[in-house]
Amino acid sequence: AQKITQTQPGMFVQEKEAVTLDCTYDTSDQSYGLFWYKQPSSGEMIFLIYQGSYDEQNATEGRYSLNFQKARKSANLVISASQLGDSAMYFCAMREAMDTGRRALTFGSGTRLQVQP
Amino acid sequence: GAVVSQHPSWVICKSGTSVKIECRSLDFQATTMFWYRQFPKQSLMLMATSNEGSKATYEQGVEKDKFLINHASLTLSTLTVTSAHPEDSSFYICSARKSGAYQPQHFGDGTRLSIL
Repeated sequence: AQKITQTQPGMFVQEKEAVTLDCTYDTSDQSYGLFWYKQPSSGEMIFLIYQGSYDEQNATEGRYSLNFQKARKSANLVISASQLGDSAMYFCAMREAMDTGRRALTFGSGTRLQVQP
Repeated sequence: GAVVSQHPSWVICKSGTSVKIECRSLDFQATTMFWYRQFPKQSLMLMATSNEGSKATYEQGVEKDKFLINHASLTLSTLTVTSAHPEDSSFYICSARKSGAYQPQHFGDGTRLSIL
């Protein structure tokens, strides 16, 4: 079974509107972390936001917020007030065994977001 | 901040050439570095985990003799693609993390490798 599932290959959103990018995950670990990265066409991976499995409050970073629903194993990214510069590929990722600190990130298949003027 | 520098950013070379890619943590010590490969329009796939001072751990299906990894210091890991062929053309990206639990991974800017 896939550990990270992103069901939206592509999304369109109007400038200044909010958009939600879906992510579900599968793990039996108690200690894990969920990450969202942005990858523009230039290729670099830009860290956006992090949610720990023990965090009770949803993470927020500026225009980014993470809608964490632990029972449903979902960690959706919400981008408010979309900007043209938000057009990029977005990856959801998970790291299991966060307390040991030795695991790599596992990435979802990504969602390509296009912001339209 | 935590900066990871990856070099070179773009390589074009002939089939049969060996190519070395460097990944450096500039302002922190990285006991663990990770190498990923990304084909066009696909996700990042972990190739190997590089631990300073010990042998790298390769993911299933990744040829360790093809992709040589050396993590000789706490700030440098290298990936050498030996006798590269066109099917090795891809985007290679490294990440590094500080020691200790709950530390995030920081990514380099990636290397685009094109084998003619």
